[in-house]
Amino acid sequence: GENVEQHPSTLSVQEGDSAVIKCTYSDSASNYFPWYKQELGKRPQLIIDIRSNVGEKKDQRIAVTLNKTAKHFSLHITETQPEDSAVYFCAASIRTGNQFYFGTGTSLTVIP
Amino acid sequence: KAGVTQTPRYLIKTRGQQVTLSCSPISGHRSVSWYQQTPGQGLQFLFEYFSETQRNKGNFPGRFSGRQFSNSRSEMNVSTLELGDSALYLCASSPGGGVDTQYFGPGTRLTVL
Repeated sequence: GENVEQHPSTLSVQEGDSAVIKCTYSDSASNYFPWYKQELGKRPQLIIDIRSNVGEKKDQRIAVTLNKTAKHFSLHITETQPEDSAVYFCAASIRTGNQFYFGTGTSLTVIP
Repeated sequence: KAGVTQTPRYLIKTRGQQVTLSCSPISGHRSVSWYQQTPGQGLQFLFEYFSETQRNKGNFPGRFSGRQFSNSRSEMNVSTLELGDSALYLCASSPGGGVDTQYFGPGTRLTVL
């Protein structure tokens, strides 16, 4: 089955700096890659996603890049703010239906 | 539209008991997936139901089972509870069909004593 690895597990940045989280996947058939943000005690919320026919997608301060050849994708957050502090999960999905494989999460702390 | 809801939000059970968790998807969504979230393992896929049929299944023992009703509401059952089953159980709904964006519920926190 698919295996998704996520790094780093923890990340601290100063407010205003950029944060980058990286994920790799093993199954070249994976074709959909969402990113979720989970604040303490709350449900995961989709923040951005990318499909395998796109190399990059941006939404305001958040961007995701995908390298299908290397089988890795990354989340970029620019101009970080304290409210960006949360756990971020990457995921990959293949085949029909919704069977998602999640990374183990990155705990991001933005220091004011 | 109302979001995904889960009941109950908290449960305390003892080893050997069984438990049933419920998930109501977003109106119009036909796919419901279940995940187990633990601090050490992250989110692990349990199974997915679409139009009352189990479409995908993760690597969990047979003690974990589920079903989906005609109104797309889903239940998950865990029999013969073990201490290691203590976790946050999340369900997520999506429109169905292909690979879709999933919207998560708030989860049910299960504690097994």
